Amino acid sequence: GDSVTQMEGPVTLSEEAFLTINCTYTATGYPSLFWYVQYPGEGLQLLLKATKADDKGSNKGFEATYRKETTSFHLEKGSVQVSDSAVYFCALSYHTGRRALTFGSGTRLQVQP
Amino acid sequence: GAGVSQSPRYKVAKRGQDVALRCDPISGHVSLFWYQQALGQGPEFLTYFQNEAQLDKSGLPSDRFFAERPEGSVSTLKIQRTQQEDSAVYLCASSSGTGGTNEKLFFGSGTQLSVL
Repeated sequence: GDSVTQMEGPVTLSEEAFLTINCTYTATGYPSLFWYVQYPGEGLQLLLKATKADDKGSNKGFEATYRKETTSFHLEKGSVQVSDSAVYFCALSYHTGRRALTFGSGTRLQVQP
Repeated sequence: GAGVSQSPRYKVAKRGQDVALRCDPISGHVSLFWYQQALGQGPEFLTYFQNEAQLDKSGLPSDRFFAERPEGSVSTLKIQRTQQEDSAVYLCASSSGTGGTNEKLFFGSGTQLSVL
């Protein structure tokens, strides 16, 4: 079956540091890949997505590239802010057939001023 | 409404009690999903509705779990004879279309269920 593996947290960085959160996946088909973010006290929100190999998703300074050869979708940001502190989830789903998202276990990011 | 609304926000149940969790999706949204999120884990899929039809219930962990969406809007997740392992946050999400990856999925803040 499908699965998503993320690096364990928490990840603690100083403001303006470079961020990488690793995500790899196992899939039976050709999924779309997502990063969702959960800020404290709020619901999950879509951060970015990529629907096919070599696509790059980007939003709010975050980027991730769909790498089919390495089955990876690592999240990066060049300069984090305190307001980026949250839990980040990598996920996959399919455009047709089963519509459910398969999530990783989440990575908590703490950014210190 | 402005977003997906879930109630109650918190629920404490004694082991063996039945509970009902409510989800009000965004008005007019066709697709509705339920997920279960254990502490420190990612959400896990429970079930999916397209209007009033329950098209996928493959994630329901046991026959104690039951979901309905009788009029294609509000949905209720019912858990019978709750067990401690049912303690989790239950998330509801909705989208305007048939759940494809090009649609934006809106999540509620969840119901935190604690079974004592």
